[in-house]
Amino acid sequence: TQLLEQSPQFLSIQEGENLTVYCNSSSVFSSLQWYRQEPGEGPVLLVTVVTGGEVKKLKRLTFQFGDARKDSSLHITAAQTGDTGLYLCAGARAGGTSYGKLTFGQGTILTVHP
Amino acid sequence: NAGVTQTPKFQVLKTGQSMTLQCAQDMNHNSMYWYRQDPGMGLRLIYYSASEGTTDKGEVPNGYNVSRLNKREFSLRLESAAPSQTSVYFCASSGTGIGQETQYFGPGTRLLVL
Repeated sequence: TQLLEQSPQFLSIQEGENLTVYCNSSSVFSSLQWYRQEPGEGPVLLVTVVTGGEVKKLKRLTFQFGDARKDSSLHITAAQTGDTGLYLCAGARAGGTSYGKLTFGQGTILTVHP
Repeated sequence: NAGVTQTPKFQVLKTGQSMTLQCAQDMNHNSMYWYRQDPGMGLRLIYYSASEGTTDKGEVPNGYNVSRLNKREFSLRLESAAPSQTSVYFCASSGTGIGQETQYFGPGTRLLVL
């Protein structure tokens, strides 16, 4: 079973600080997705990265896919209280019986204090 | 456009009781999934269905059965509930093909087995 190791598991910071969440694996993924989940709701997609070395920006969020497509990071600049939530990375493999299935990391619970 | 809907939202069972969790999507997606979410474990795939009429085991299928009733509906059944099945259950759906790996999640069913 392929694993996605996500770190840190918990992150508690003050508003205005920067932070980075990491997602690492020994397996190669065809794409890597980042989801955000709020309490009482299902995860919602933030971004998908597909190409090794790809960097995508979503306002204050920057996502990077590793050159070898085994790891990814999420960087938040000047965090706001509205960024509080659970962040999940998920890797997709193309082809064969694994097609379409995602492997999720354990998640990072981010709390941003005012 | 409702997306993915799940019923019930909450359920309390006694050990040994059975129940079926219902899921429906209105996005004309071929693929549907059932996950369970436990603290510190991320999302773990129980079963998935790549298309109407097909189902396959995921990472943690023991104690569960599924039915892909039609393209819209995918149900999860617990025949004899156990306390270890206390969890939050999420249904998701996605399209098929490269670039369609995004999964859309329902709001979840919170299950407590006593």
